[in-house]
Amino acid sequence: QKEVEQNSGPLSVPEGAIASLNCTYSDRGSQSFFWYRQYSGKSPELIMSIYSNGDKEDGRFTAQLNKASQYVSLLIRDSQPSDSATYLCAVTTDTGNQFYFGTGTSLTVIP
Amino acid sequence: GAGVSQSPRYKVTKRGQDVALRCDPISGHVSLYWYRQALGQGPEFLTYFNYEAQQDKSGLPNDRFSAERPEGSISTLTIQRTEQRDSAMYRCASSYRQGGLGLASTDTQYFGPGTRLTVL
Repeated sequence: QKEVEQNSGPLSVPEGAIASLNCTYSDRGSQSFFWYRQYSGKSPELIMSIYSNGDKEDGRFTAQLNKASQYVSLLIRDSQPSDSATYLCAVTTDTGNQFYFGTGTSLTVIP
Repeated sequence: GAGVSQSPRYKVTKRGQDVALRCDPISGHVSLYWYRQALGQGPEFLTYFNYEAQQDKSGLPNDRFSAERPEGSISTLTIQRTEQRDSAMYRCASSYRQGGLGLASTDTQYFGPGTRLTVL
C-alpha cells in the first residue's frame, strides 16, 4: 500500500473554474502536509503547508485537512493557464523523519 | 540568496562505474534531503541529514548507495557499480530547521534543480 495516494488525473478545467485536487495518506500519525507544484522539467516548489484540521487559505489556494479521514485536498479558485502543472501531495511520518510524496496529479487549465 | 544547487546537472555513465552527485544547500539550512524521482512519479525519499549527522537512510535502495555531509553543508550522494535501473533524476532539498523532531511544523523544503543520471 502506497503511503500517499492522489487522484491520478489528468484533470482539465476551464479558465476561471475551481480545480480540486485530493490526497489520502496511510500513516495516521502523520503531522505535516504539503502541496507542491511541479512544472514540466522543473523542480517541485511549495504551494501550501497545513498542520491542523480545517482549511487554510492563501490567495487563490485553499488547503483542507481532515486527519480523522486521512485526507488532504487543495482547491485552486479562478484557475489560470499558468496553474497548469503537476501537483504533488507530501506527508511526513509521525516523527517527521521522512517525506512521502504522491505520484502527482496533472492539471491542465484550458483558456 | 542563492538557492539549492546540484552538480552535475546531467551525468551519463556506463554500467559498473561509480558516480558522485553533489548538493550545495541554501546557506544556513540545517537539514538536507536526497530524493530520487522517476518520470511521472513523485520524489522518493532516500536519506536526510541534520547538520553532518545522517538521521535516516532507510530509503537508500541498497548498499551501493551512500551519502555524506562531512561538514554539515555540502553533501555527496555516491552510487557504486551503477546499474541501468539507477537511471533517474536525483533531487536534493534543504530546510532551515531540523527534521525528525516529531513536531507538527516541519519546515519547508527547497528543492535543487536535480541531477539527471543516465546509466548506459
